[in-house]
Amino acid sequence: QSVLTQPPSASGTPGQRVTISCSGSSSNIGSNYVYWYQQLPGTAPKLLIYRNNQRPSGVPDRFSGSKSGTSASLAISGLRSEDEADYYCAAWDDSLSGPRVVFGGGTKLTVL
Amino acid sequence: QLQLQESGSGLVKPSQTLSLTCAVSGGSISSGGYSWSWIRQPPGKGLEWIGYIYHSGSTYYNPSLKSRVTISVDRSKNQFSLKLSSVTAADTAVYYCAREPREGYFDYWGQGTLVTVSS
Repeated sequence: QSVLTQPPSASGTPGQRVTISCSGSSSNIGSNYVYWYQQLPGTAPKLLIYRNNQRPSGVPDRFSGSKSGTSASLAISGLRSEDEADYYCAAWDDSLSGPRVVFGGGTKLTVL
Repeated sequence: QLQLQESGSGLVKPSQTLSLTCAVSGGSISSGGYSWSWIRQPPGKGLEWIGYIYHSGSTYYNPSLKSRVTISVDRSKNQFSLKLSSVTAADTAVYYCAREPREGYFDYWGQGTLVTVSS
C-alpha cells in the first residue's frame, strides 16, 4: 500500500490531454514539494517535474504539474504514442517515524 | 554527462547480506550540494526509497528499512555502496542508484540491477 495514491491506469488518444492525480496527506503533499517521474518499459525512471510544477531541461512543455492542498496532478497535452509509460508521483513525508521519500503506486498510461 | 552504474551480486540467499555498488562518472561524488541514494522496485510494483548518503558521509535511511541498511561512500573510487542484511524474498527487486540535489528529487539514475533473493 503506497503512501501516495494514484489511479492504476489512464488512457487517451493521440493529441488528447490527460491528467493523472496523486493524493496524499498533510505530512507529505500538504507540506512538501511534489515530483513526477516517467518510467518507460524496461528503463529507469526519468524526472519529469520537480518543485510541483518545474520542468527539467529537455522535458517538453506538454508536461505540466500542479498542486492544491494535499493533492497533485500531472497533465500531458498533445498526447503522443511515446508517452505510453508508467508515471509516479513522489514527495517527502514528515512521518512520526522519521522523514522519508514516498512514492505513489504508479499510473500506467496507455495511448490508444 | 553524469552517469551512474550499479554492480553487484544478482542472486542472494535468504538471511544473507545484499551488497551493491554504484560507480559515478562524469562528476565527483565529493562535490557538495548532492546526496546519493538507493531506490528499489520489486518486479511489477512501485518504487521504494531506501536511503541516501551525503558527500560528507552522513547518512539517512528509510525508517522502514533502517535496521537492515548501511550506505557508505568511497571517495577515492568515486562510488557509493549499499548493504542490506537479513534479506528475504520480499527484497527481490531492481535496485537503482540515483543523485539527489538536496531537494527531494532524483535527477540522474543508474540503469538498475535486478537482485533476486532465493536459495
